Amino acid sequence: DAMVIQNPRYQVTQFGKPVTLSCSQTLNHNVMYWYQQKSSQAPKLLFHYYDKDFNNEADTPDNFQSRRPNTSFCFLDIRSPGLGDAAMYLCATSRGRGGNEQFFGPGTRLTVL
Amino acid sequence: QQQVKQSPQSLIVQKGGISIINCAYENTAFDYFPWYQQFPGKGPALLIAIRPDVSEKKEGRFTISFNKSAKQFSLHIMDSQPGDSATYFCAASGEYTGGFKTIFGAGTRLFVKA
Repeated sequence: DAMVIQNPRYQVTQFGKPVTLSCSQTLNHNVMYWYQQKSSQAPKLLFHYYDKDFNNEADTPDNFQSRRPNTSFCFLDIRSPGLGDAAMYLCATSRGRGGNEQFFGPGTRLTVL
Repeated sequence: QQQVKQSPQSLIVQKGGISIINCAYENTAFDYFPWYQQFPGKGPALLIAIRPDVSEKKEGRFTISFNKSAKQFSLHIMDSQPGDSATYFCAASGEYTGGFKTIFGAGTRLFVKA
């Protein structure tokens, strides 16, 4: 089945220790998104790739970076995680932007000790 | 200008009843309004979506009502079932001069009592 896969599902890191979260997709969608979702809150868009074009949200901290080496894979790098970065990180894809369904992965739960 | 306001925050409905969740947006550049359903530990999944050129869309037990002039839209779940118990997010997205935006409402936790 075509899908969005996130690894790992659970990630524990220490305060200030860099961490990388992975997302892959078999849908061949040209847009990939990263969202941060804290407990009982809405997903908040961090950035998205439209093909190779990187689009950062204005309020996304510099601590968060992303890479998209090819159509299928996208990575979220958190350079120096703080306690406030503990959250569920959701990857999503869509065929084009705007009025197109976003397909979400199961998320990676990040814990910062 | 960028907010999507969702209410209520939580909702308890009897089995067989109607669940109604409301959302309001501000930016008239938004042109796609989806509703996502999220179960604990899972990513959101698209439930139903509407564009502003229609006032209503129905898929099975789920209906979106859209009021463009009021900048409001709502989700109606008819014959609510315990399996509908989940968190529901409305969203708004579109291209505008500042770029592309997709913004989620704060979510509504629905509990359907058997």
